[in-house]
Amino acid sequence: GEDVEQSLFLSVREGDSSVINCTYTDSSSTYLYWYKQEPGAGLQLLTYIFSNMDMKQDQRLTVLLNKKDKHLSLRIADTQTGDSAIYFCAESMPGGGADGLTFGKGTHLIIQP
Amino acid sequence: DAGVTQSPTHLIKTRGQHVTLRCSPISGHKSVSWYQQVLGQGPQFIFQYYEKEERGRGNFPDRFSARQFPNYSSELNVNALLLGDSALYLCASSFRDFTGELFFGEGSRLTVL
Repeated sequence: GEDVEQSLFLSVREGDSSVINCTYTDSSSTYLYWYKQEPGAGLQLLTYIFSNMDMKQDQRLTVLLNKKDKHLSLRIADTQTGDSAIYFCAESMPGGGADGLTFGKGTHLIIQP
Repeated sequence: DAGVTQSPTHLIKTRGQHVTLRCSPISGHKSVSWYQQVLGQGPQFIFQYYEKEERGRGNFPDRFSARQFPNYSSELNVNALLLGDSALYLCASSFRDFTGELFFGEGSRLTVL
């Protein structure tokens, strides 16, 4: 079955880099996603990576994928107070919409001044 | 440009009642998905519709049903409400048939007493 695991909390100092980790179990995942949820809001897509890629960089965001270990990470450079949110890792399966996205429980990113 | 809009934003029901939640996708988006987010958990896939056809269904009982209208808006219906149905119900739209690049609304917060 599918399962996406994330640590629940991460605390970093403002200006440092944040690294949020995720592991997934289904090797047939096609795309892996990072979503951000701020308090009282819906989810916002940050970035995604295709399963045949190792890395993707988008401004302050870097996604690393280790398909052998089924490990995904999101690095946020120069973390700011506005980055405080819950970050969800999600995977999608081949074959269309039958299964939707499978989300982890989310990592709460806490920024220390 | 208007994002995904959902109504109502908050509602309180009692066990055994019925609820209808509504969603308007971003203009031009033909796909709508519904997710349930229980407090402290990641979103869980309920349904996906594209061009008024059901494309996928998650592991939810038959008390949950949905439909998509010709204008691509959607309704989620839940019958015989249980306490465990208390959650944030998120609607997401996308332009293409199943894709993980979803645009989420802010959700409808359902409390079942």
